[in-house]
Amino acid sequence: KAGVTQTPRYLIKTRGQQVTLSCSPISGHRSVSWYQQTPGQGLQFLFEYFSETQRNKGNFPGRFSGRQFSNSRSEMNVSTLELGDSALYLCASSLVYLAGSGTDTQYFGPGTRLTVL
Amino acid sequence: KNEVEQSPQNLTAQEGEFITINCSYSVGISALHWLQQHPGGGIVSLFMLSSGKKKHGRLIATINIQEKHSSLHITASHPRDSAVYICAVSWGGSQGNLIFGKGTKLSVKP
Repeated sequence: KAGVTQTPRYLIKTRGQQVTLSCSPISGHRSVSWYQQTPGQGLQFLFEYFSETQRNKGNFPGRFSGRQFSNSRSEMNVSTLELGDSALYLCASSLVYLAGSGTDTQYFGPGTRLTVL
Repeated sequence: KNEVEQSPQNLTAQEGEFITINCSYSVGISALHWLQQHPGGGIVSLFMLSSGKKKHGRLIATINIQEKHSSLHITASHPRDSAVYICAVSWGGSQGNLIFGKGTKLSVKP
């Protein structure tokens, strides 16, 4: 079974541009979460999608947005890029969204390393 | 707000040593996760636990819900165990909404 795939793996953009990152979950997984990792802040939760609906959102500005398609693939978009958006962006998938239990393992993709110049 | 604290931040061990990494959190959780991140960024989920103890090979994870504390143990450490180990907690009903510790960088010398 193929793992979580993310494209592109590396990306260089300039300030003010926008970027779209893609995540394909493990076949059959319906929940996709996005995370940002920086040396200063570590790993931070961005948002979670299940059945094409955003279920949770972290403490990030509105420039960060996402969506999920009917095949569970997900995209995240960052508009008006800032230098501080340089980070490793990770997505993770899990089989289901289990409200109130938190008992499903997440499987992480390799990440997209975004550099903003 | 849930805070997740890990200790130590850095750990150097000799091959074969028994290793313990600790994680404390401040608010009730639905599950605690131990993750491993190798250079290059890939993250692997090692354990997810909400009570008791779990074992996988040379790795053991325990959690004490009353004390809001978890430990990750590595027995007979090996250089290939060198990685960053991250503790994360899920709360608020969604296992996707994880709050992460800063990680423990482990280096095992041959």
